Amino acid sequence: DGGITQSPKYLFRKEGQNVTLSCEQNLNHDAMYWYRQDPGQGLRLIYYSQIVNDFQKGDIAEGYSVSREKKESFPLTVTSAQKNPTAFYLCASSDRGAYGYTFGSGTRLTVV
Amino acid sequence: AQSVTQPDIHITVSEGASLELRCNYSYGATPYLFWYVQSPGQGLQLLLKYFSGDTLVQGIKGFEAEFKRSQSSFNLRKPSVHWSDAAEYFCAGIGGGATNKLIFGTGTLLAVQP
Repeated sequence: DGGITQSPKYLFRKEGQNVTLSCEQNLNHDAMYWYRQDPGQGLRLIYYSQIVNDFQKGDIAEGYSVSREKKESFPLTVTSAQKNPTAFYLCASSDRGAYGYTFGSGTRLTVV
Repeated sequence: AQSVTQPDIHITVSEGASLELRCNYSYGATPYLFWYVQSPGQGLQLLLKYFSGDTLVQGIKGFEAEFKRSQSSFNLRKPSVHWSDAAEYFCAGIGGGATNKLIFGTGTLLAVQP
């Protein structure tokens, strides 16, 4: 079945370490997105990519980096510059013509 | 600025009662509108979407939503709530243009009493 796979589901890291969250899709979608979710704040867009080798900052890109070397993959790196990295991270993809997003099941990152 | 607002942070209803979750949008033109549901620790599942045409949209799990341009609203409804409907619900919109950026409301947490 087609879908989006995020791994790992839970991730623990020490403060000051960079960490990379994986997102893979087999839906042949052009666009991919990373959102951060915090209680009471909804989902906030970190980065998005509409095509391979191109990506754009979202509303809260500081302290994060991404790459889009393959259509299927859009990994997110949470750097030590991110002041409050503990959160639930959701990856999504969309077919531009359909204007619908498909979401992964998320990665919960805890920094201690 | 484009925005989506969900005025209710938390709602509790009794099982079998009707449900209405509110959503208001602010866009220059008619946006594409969506309702998603999220169970704890999970991703988001699409319930329904509105692009154009009939303003009453049917979705999965017995949900429907009505687009009202005059009120800038897209409220989600269900005639009879089941205990399994307890979850967080997000309204979202896309304003068009060159990108498909989806803007979310802050969510409404639904609790269902037996």
